[in-house]
Amino acid sequence: DIQMTQSPSSLSASVGDRVTITCRASRNIASFLNWYQQKPGKAPNLLIYASSTLQSGVPSKFSGSGYGTDFTLIISSLQPEDSATYYCQQIYSAPWTFGQGTKVEIK
Amino acid sequence: QVQLQESGPGLVKPSETLSLTCTVSGGSISNYYWSWIRQPPGKGLEWIGYVSYSGSTSYNPSLRSRVTMSVDTSKNQFSLRLSSVTAADTAVYYCARLAGDSYLRFDYWGQGTLVTVSS
Repeated sequence: DIQMTQSPSSLSASVGDRVTITCRASRNIASFLNWYQQKPGKAPNLLIYASSTLQSGVPSKFSGSGYGTDFTLIISSLQPEDSATYYCQQIYSAPWTFGQGTKVEIK
Repeated sequence: QVQLQESGPGLVKPSETLSLTCTVSGGSISNYYWSWIRQPPGKGLEWIGYVSYSGSTSYNPSLRSRVTMSVDTSKNQFSLRLSSVTAADTAVYYCARLAGDSYLRFDYWGQGTLVTVSS
């Protein structure tokens, strides 16, 4: 199985801050990387697929990049509604696996 | 707008079989693949497997011996059966649509249903 490791596991940032979350795959997954946002008690919501393609309806403050083993999710200007847990997911090779999540809190 | 809704028992006894159904509304189940994903309380996400509109399946090897997925296109539903459950199978179970050709992604999710394994 491909292991996905996110860092940090949690972070606290102020409104307006630029937030960066990283995801590392245990082997090359090209661009087969998705990002999801999950708020408490809710299902995950797709933010980005194919490493950098913004899902329809997702605000442009979210962006993704990376190829191979190292990937990044950026929130350009953090807002209170962005408080959530963020997961990366590889869809290069079954079984498809998720990172352990990064919990983003507002200071 | 596509909507998915999980249904099934919220409590299952150890060693018994967990059975869930996902009903798709606002769109056809045809021409897509459909997945089950679970999340133990306070933990991360685990992909269980998928079933296609034609009935082909792929399962996570960690669960393959206990999982069966099926689809009923006439009802726009697909189902999950997980046998010989233990407390470790206690989780919120989500159904989701798998979209895309080359770059697959879960673009629509159900709200999730908590299944507790306990006697």
